[in-house]
Amino acid sequence: AQSVTQLDSQVPVFEEAPVELRCNYSSSVSVYLFWYVQYPNQGLQLLLKYLSGSTLVESINGFEAEFNKSQTSFHLRKPSVHISDTAEYFCAVSRYQGAQKLVFGQGTRLTINP
Amino acid sequence: GAGVSQSPRYKVAKRGQDVALRCDPISGHVSLFWYQQALGQGPEFLTYFQNEAQLDKSGLPSDRFFAERPEGSVSTLKIQRTQQEDSAVYLCASSPGLAMRTDTQYFGPGTRLTVL
Repeated sequence: AQSVTQLDSQVPVFEEAPVELRCNYSSSVSVYLFWYVQYPNQGLQLLLKYLSGSTLVESINGFEAEFNKSQTSFHLRKPSVHISDTAEYFCAVSRYQGAQKLVFGQGTRLTINP
Repeated sequence: GAGVSQSPRYKVAKRGQDVALRCDPISGHVSLFWYQQALGQGPEFLTYFQNEAQLDKSGLPSDRFFAERPEGSVSTLKIQRTQQEDSAVYLCASSPGLAMRTDTQYFGPGTRLTVL
């Protein structure tokens, strides 16, 4: 079975400051890794995903995440956040084999203060 | 280009009532997933359909939960004899392929169920 741990339930930061949202996973098999974002009053949206190849993946709005197999981590980072980044962020994994059901962490609420 | 829609958006039920939650996936999407999200938690997998076939229902918490997708498009999640612990947001997601491991899942806004 797979499990995902997001180490911080809430992260408050000031606008234009850097941020890191931590994610660790546990799995006995190879997995794909995802970050989903949920803006207020909206559904979950895919932010970025790691499938294979380069361990650093980027989103269109400046976030990036690095897959670290030895540390079983997939931390999300942004060098300078904006008010519009206020949202809840979920890390998730799915197995290589079988149906693509996602196993999610409990989420990290990112709050940007002006 | 409509996304995944769910109805109702909010549902209040008295304990013991039956409820039915509807999901309209993106047109043409083969795969459909249901997840349950309790307050303050991440979504948890309930069940998966490939067209009209329910291929995985390992996440359904009890036999009071039943899901169907009879024509391979719209899906309904039914909960019989609701209990307070069923209170949660129920999320539906669809993806275009046969649960291809690289397909993106597109989520609906969810139905918030409150059982009194």
